[in-house]
Parts: sequence; C-alpha cells; structure tokens
Amino acid sequence: GENVEQHPSTLSVQEGDSAVIKCTYSDSASNYFPWYKQELGKRPQLIIDIRSNVGEKKDQRIAVTLNKTAKHFSLHITETQPEDSAVYFCAAMKGNEKLNFGTGTRLTIIP
Amino acid sequence: DAGVIQSPRHEVTEMGQEVTLRCKPISGHNSLFWYRQTMMRGLELLIYFNNNVPIDDSGMPEDRFSAKMPNASFSTLKIQPSEPRDSAVYFCASSFWPEAFFGQGTRLTVV
Repeated sequence: GENVEQHPSTLSVQEGDSAVIKCTYSDSASNYFPWYKQELGKRPQLIIDIRSNVGEKKDQRIAVTLNKTAKHFSLHITETQPEDSAVYFCAAMKGNEKLNFGTGTRLTIIP
Repeated sequence: DAGVIQSPRHEVTEMGQEVTLRCKPISGHNSLFWYRQTMMRGLELLIYFNNNVPIDDSGMPEDRFSAKMPNASFSTLKIQPSEPRDSAVYFCASSFWPEAFFGQGTRLTVV
C-alpha cells in the first residue's frame, strides 16, 4: 500500500520567515496530494491541494510543489504569522481510494 | 451546508460499556472515512465507505469495533465493549473526489 513520509516532525521559524515541509510517497499511481492544517483541539482543515497533472499551485502565502519523478511534494508558507502555528499533515491518494496521511509536522512561529 | 456533523462531541464512559459515535456526511459526498487520532499513533484510518459500501476495514483494531453506513446521510462507529486504550479523538470525514472534509470529532474517554 501507499506509504507517506513527512519531515520534519517539528519546525520552528521566526515570524516573517518561510517554512517548508516535505513529504514523499511510495505509490507512483497516486494522483492527489492535499495538505491539512490542524490547530490545537480542532479538526484537520484542508488548506491546499495539488493533482498529479500540475507541478505547482499557489494560494496567497501558501504554495505546494510536486515532483512526480522523485515522488515528493512540499508545502511552502511565506511571510509566516503567529496564526500559522499548527500541525500540518500531508496526504496522498490514488484514484478514489483512501487518503494516506503523513505523521504530521508541528510548526511553531516565534514572534 | 453545515459540513460533516458528528455526535456526540464528547463522551465519557466506563470500561465495558458500549459506545456509539455518529456521523452525518456532507450531502452529495459519496465517500466516508472514520479516523482515530492519538498523540502516540497520529491519524489512523479505521474504515472507509464508497457509496455506502465498506471498502477497506483493515484499520479496525479488533472485533470490538464495527461501523455501518445504512444510507448516504448517516454512519455509525460502535465500540463494544469499550476499553481505556480506546480513548482518543474519533473523526469522520466525507468526500466527493477528491476533496475530503472532516467533522469536528468526538473526544472519547473510557475510564
């Protein structure tokens, strides 16, 4: 089955700096890659996603890149703000099957 | 749409009791997922349904856990008998390929 690895497990950055979280997947047939943000005590929320026919997608301060050859994808957050502090999960999906989640990255923005 | 609705939000029960968690997916979504989240194990997929049919229940811990989806607008996850190690936050998510959205979760405490 699909195996998604996520790094780093924790990340601290100064407010205003950029943060990058990386994930790798094992199944080359996976074609959908979402990112979720989970604040303390709340549900995971979909913040951005990318499909396998696209190499990069951007939404304001967040962007996701996908390298199908290397089977890895990354989340980039620019101009970080305190409200970006949360746990971020990547995931990979093949067709209409289940979402396979990474283990999460705890991002802390230092004021 | 009100999003994915789960009930109850919190449940405290004694070991050995039966627990039933409920989920109402977003109208029109055809996939439904049950996840369990703990600090130690992260987000674990327990079972998922496509068009009300269970597709993969390999994540269900043991026979004490069962899930049903009698129609497109309702699903239950039952634990009988419950044990302290079942204490966790249980999330339901629904999707219409590919985006998946989570409910607010049920925090289960078994004492």
